[in-house]
Amino acid sequence: DAGVTQSPTHLIKTRGQQVTLRCSPKSGHDTVSWYQQALGQGPQFIFQYYEEEERQRGNFPDRFSGHQFPNYSSELNVNALLLGDSALYLCASSFEPGLFYYEQYFGPGTRLTVT
Amino acid sequence: QKEVEQNSGPLSVPEGAIASLNCTYSDRGSQSFFWYRQYSGKSPELIMFIYSNGDKEDGRFTAQLNKASQYVSLLIRDSQPSDSATYLCAVSDTGGFKTIFGAGTRLFVKA
Repeated sequence: DAGVTQSPTHLIKTRGQQVTLRCSPKSGHDTVSWYQQALGQGPQFIFQYYEEEERQRGNFPDRFSGHQFPNYSSELNVNALLLGDSALYLCASSFEPGLFYYEQYFGPGTRLTVT
Repeated sequence: QKEVEQNSGPLSVPEGAIASLNCTYSDRGSQSFFWYRQYSGKSPELIMFIYSNGDKEDGRFTAQLNKASQYVSLLIRDSQPSDSATYLCAVSDTGGFKTIFGAGTRLFVKA
């Protein structure tokens, strides 16, 4: 059973550039959430995608955008990169059975360094 | 007030002891509560989830939830050096779609 996968593993970008991170959810999962984790902090919720729509968004600027494809995979795009965007970006997937409760499983993350 | 608060630690316990990790949350409408373990340089790994008041046991782990006190805890029995990691408490918001994480508690289990 394939777990959540993310690519790339590491990425180095320059301030002002744009970056795209990719995520494939765990088999059977249809919901993808993205998180940013700074060193020494807990993951911060960026947004969640379900049925190819952004369902909820955290306190992140519009420079952060995303997309979900019909196969449930997802992309996170960050424009006009700032030094403060350097972090571990985590994708988590879950199954939305129409119930209130669900568990999320994380991918290995993408380490983004902005110089 | 932070939405999910945890003692940052580090919490140090001897091998074989019980480790007790605590978490408080501010959103009274929260319905889902999770504990994740994160080893250094790795992504969080879900180890326990609890939705109802009371205790939930899974092997050496017991999660405890008290919604009236807005308090969640994780007990690790017979702690092993391999349990040394950061433990993240996570809580869903009232809407249920957003999960809010605490900053984590670092646990050290001394052999």
